[in-house]
Amino acid sequence: SAVISQKPSRDICQRGTSLTIQCQVDSQVTMMFWYRQQPGQSLTLIATANQGSEATYESGFVIDKFPISRPNLTFSTLTVSNMSPEDSSIYLCSVVNRENTGELFFGEGSRLTVL
Amino acid sequence: LAKTTQPISMDSYEGQEVNITCSHNNIATNDYITWYQQFPSQGPRFIIQGYKTKVTNEVASLFIPADRKSSTLSLPRVSLSDTAVYYCLVGDDSGAGSYQLTFGKGTKLSVIP
Repeated sequence: SAVISQKPSRDICQRGTSLTIQCQVDSQVTMMFWYRQQPGQSLTLIATANQGSEATYESGFVIDKFPISRPNLTFSTLTVSNMSPEDSSIYLCSVVNRENTGELFFGEGSRLTVL
Repeated sequence: LAKTTQPISMDSYEGQEVNITCSHNNIATNDYITWYQQFPSQGPRFIIQGYKTKVTNEVASLFIPADRKSSTLSLPRVSLSDTAVYYCLVGDDSGAGSYQLTFGKGTKLSVIP
């Protein structure tokens, strides 16, 4: 299994500002994923972050809006830039357990509210 | 990517067995079927995974017919603490550095006393 810690757990932000979410894993993992979950909705994959390479973004998400860093095999950050109220969501970090054929482990999420 | 279809919601009384069916008509040969449970204000949690036939663990059973176009998550004797959203996912490890998993809308299970 993997234990994932996210910071902050929640925050209230002003329109136009940016916020960086941190994700720390207790073991080395190749791939890390960032998801967004809007209120009452399912999870949507934002991007896949591999150590040593650029993140791969899903359709509808761009690097300028959601820059991602992956400096090592246990850590990643997601920045939500120039926030608007539409960015109010829960942002979740996830890693895959390759030993178990793809089981995903999730952090507790970071709940952002943009005023 | 295989698209999944689940009922939006289900209600059940405590102590009953609950079966949630997921349709995935265009599942690929390499795809596994995985179910996750999500409580409010928490990230999803792995429940069970299978490829074909039946898989059982301490929490649930997963039934997959021979054509693999659907799967059924079975929760025995649910309790109030099983009230959550249940997601069926179909995906594979492509082996090329990408791992694509798409969450459907999920099934909101409400367990009634």
